[in-house]
Amino acid sequence: SQQGEEDPQALSIQEGENATMNCSYKTSINNLQWYRQNSGRGLVHLILIRSNEREKHSGRLRVTLDTSKKSSSLLITASRAADTASYFCATRGDTGRRALTFGSGTRLQVQP
Amino acid sequence: DVKVTQSSRYLVKRTGEKVFLECVQDMDHENMFWYRQDPGLGLRLIYFSYDVKMKEKGDIPEGYSVSREKKERFSLILESASTNQTSMYLCASSFLLAGGYNEQFFGPGTRLTVL
Repeated sequence: SQQGEEDPQALSIQEGENATMNCSYKTSINNLQWYRQNSGRGLVHLILIRSNEREKHSGRLRVTLDTSKKSSSLLITASRAADTASYFCATRGDTGRRALTFGSGTRLQVQP
Repeated sequence: DVKVTQSSRYLVKRTGEKVFLECVQDMDHENMFWYRQDPGLGLRLIYFSYDVKMKEKGDIPEGYSVSREKKERFSLILESASTNQTSMYLCASSFLLAGGYNEQFFGPGTRLTVL
C-alpha cells in the first residue's frame, strides 16, 4: 500500500510564485525525505527531516512535519522555470526496515 | 560526486526473454535498491541488499530476482520477461547510517519495454 500520498497530483504556477506540496503517510516514521525528479531521469535528494523535527530549511526550500497528523509539506519559494519537475516524499519507518516508501508524486510546472 | 550508473537507458526485449539490469555505484555504499516506477504509482521497491550476497524482498518481488556478488554492483534479473514488466527501473544506493538518517542516490533509470 502507498505510505506517502502527495497532494496535489499536479500544480502549475507562474515564475516567482511559491509552490506548496503536501504529503500524508500512514505509519510511524523515523524520518521523511523529499526528492525531485526531472522528466525521464533519476531522483535527487532534496531534504530530510527527522521525526523529532518540526521544520527545516534549505535554500528556497522549507519542509514542515506534523507527526500528529502524519503529514508534511514542501514549500518552494520564488519558484523558477528550472524547478519544473516531479516531487516525491519518502518515509523511513521506525520498524528498522532500511528501505524508503515513496508516494506517487506531485508534478510541478513553473511557467516562465 | 556520488555516481550511480545503470547499464542501459533504454531496453527493448521480447516476452519470455531473460533480462539483466545492472547497477554500479562508486561510493562504497552498503545498501543498494531496485525500484520500478509507473505512472500514478510512484516508486515501488522490488528488492534491496544491505551487504554482499545479502538481499531482502521489497513490496513487489514477484517475477524478479537479484544478485550482489560485489559491493559496488547490484543486478536485477527478470527470469522470463512479461509485458506487465514494461516500466522504468531505478537503482539507488545509500550508506548504512546509525539511526537511518541516510539519503538515497539514484541512477538515471532504465526504461524497459517488453513486447
